[in-house]
Amino acid sequence: DAMVIQNPRYQVTQFGKPVTLSCSQTLNHNVMYWYQQKSSQAPKLLFHYYDKDFNNEADTPDNFQSRRPNTSFCFLDIRSPGLGDAAMYLCATSSAGTDGTDTQYFGPGTRLTVL
Amino acid sequence: RKEVEQDPGPFNVPEGATVAFNCTYSNSASQSFFWYRQDCRKEPKLLMSVYSSGNEDGRFTAQLNRASQYISLLIRDSKLSDSATYLCVVKTRGTGGFKTIFGAGTRLFVKA
Repeated sequence: DAMVIQNPRYQVTQFGKPVTLSCSQTLNHNVMYWYQQKSSQAPKLLFHYYDKDFNNEADTPDNFQSRRPNTSFCFLDIRSPGLGDAAMYLCATSSAGTDGTDTQYFGPGTRLTVL
Repeated sequence: RKEVEQDPGPFNVPEGATVAFNCTYSNSASQSFFWYRQDCRKEPKLLMSVYSSGNEDGRFTAQLNRASQYISLLIRDSKLSDSATYLCVVKTRGTGGFKTIFGAGTRLFVKA
């Protein structure tokens, strides 16, 4: 049974055309993350929600925004995709405590192509 | 210097071989360490957490050396199915919770 679901699995958009990627989870985890992963590179954390608290990484471009309307869902909005934004976007969740030992569970990812 | 560094490989080994990967991290305050496995065009999946005392899970052994700031993964009796990219993950407490940093991964090919 899928625990972290991402839709769509593949997304094609045009240069500059806004796009929204979605993530949902059945784990009831309090933390949700968005990563960007380019070919042969490490997943790069864009931002995460700790419950409703939004935490943006310092080097995440303003072009990337996120919304978490409830515990189960989280969205990644790319306001004006550029060619350099083509990548795999991974959503992850965890049940975070205070010691940092929580495991992150990843969704299958959305592969974004920008034309 | 990158915060988390791994030898990208690839490591090409025959079935049955023992192979070891290292990962170094730059922040001495880092608290939690993990190894994830990522198959081609798939999402990362947790392989094992890394504890201070070292830990073993079947053919896999993970070690942490805080003094030298590295973690290692040893795979014994390699199987064809072990072929994947192995990602080192380091978590450091910061404002807003823990910061998670992935290494770029070490690619392993196990050949018959």
